[in-house]
Amino acid sequence: EAGVAQSPRYKIIEKRQSVAFWCNPISGHATLYWYQQILGQGPKLLIQFQNNGVVDDSQLPKDRFSAERLKGVDSTLKIQPAKLEDSAVYLCASSSGTASYEQYFGPGTRLTVT
Amino acid sequence: DQQVKQNSPSLSVQEGRISILNCDYTNSMFDYFLWYKKYPAEGPTFLISISSIKDKNEDGRFTVFLNKSAKHLSLHIVPSQPGDSAVYFCAASEGDNFNKFYFGSGTKLNVKP
Repeated sequence: EAGVAQSPRYKIIEKRQSVAFWCNPISGHATLYWYQQILGQGPKLLIQFQNNGVVDDSQLPKDRFSAERLKGVDSTLKIQPAKLEDSAVYLCASSSGTASYEQYFGPGTRLTVT
Repeated sequence: DQQVKQNSPSLSVQEGRISILNCDYTNSMFDYFLWYKKYPAEGPTFLISISSIKDKNEDGRFTVFLNKSAKHLSLHIVPSQPGDSAVYFCAASEGDNFNKFYFGSGTKLNVKP
């Protein structure tokens, strides 16, 4: 079974530029999550999709961050414009969303904003 | 406001001995808890879980203990092996909240040969 795929793995941009991350979850997984992990901290949920609907985006900075999940499968997370404090690892995870609480994480995208 | 806390950023243990990683939470509505293990440049991988109806769950060398009255859980690794060296995150969820998890800041375990 293929795992959660993310791209790119690394990205360096200047502040005020825009950036997009892509995630392909495990096939058949209805629930998809985007997390932000700042150095020295645990992952913080940004947005959670159930199929292609948003379940929770309470911690997503909506003035600069946006996310979509096309046809309930792949997802993209965009930051526009980026700030220095957005430097972090962005993790995508998926789960079957039924009785299992287990989330499967991708390798993450390390974003550096200079 | 951090609802899940791991107060020890690092832990060093000799191979063969017991590793004990601790986690505290503040939300009494949390009823499901997970431990994740993370190697550098990889995403976290699921290790073990426990629901609030239990106070212990065991899987091979890994045991998680839950003390609901103290809002505390711990992960025991016995015996510790060098391959266990990684960052360990605990996470907690309210069971009916579509699996929304709150993560601690992690404890870096170093198992010395």
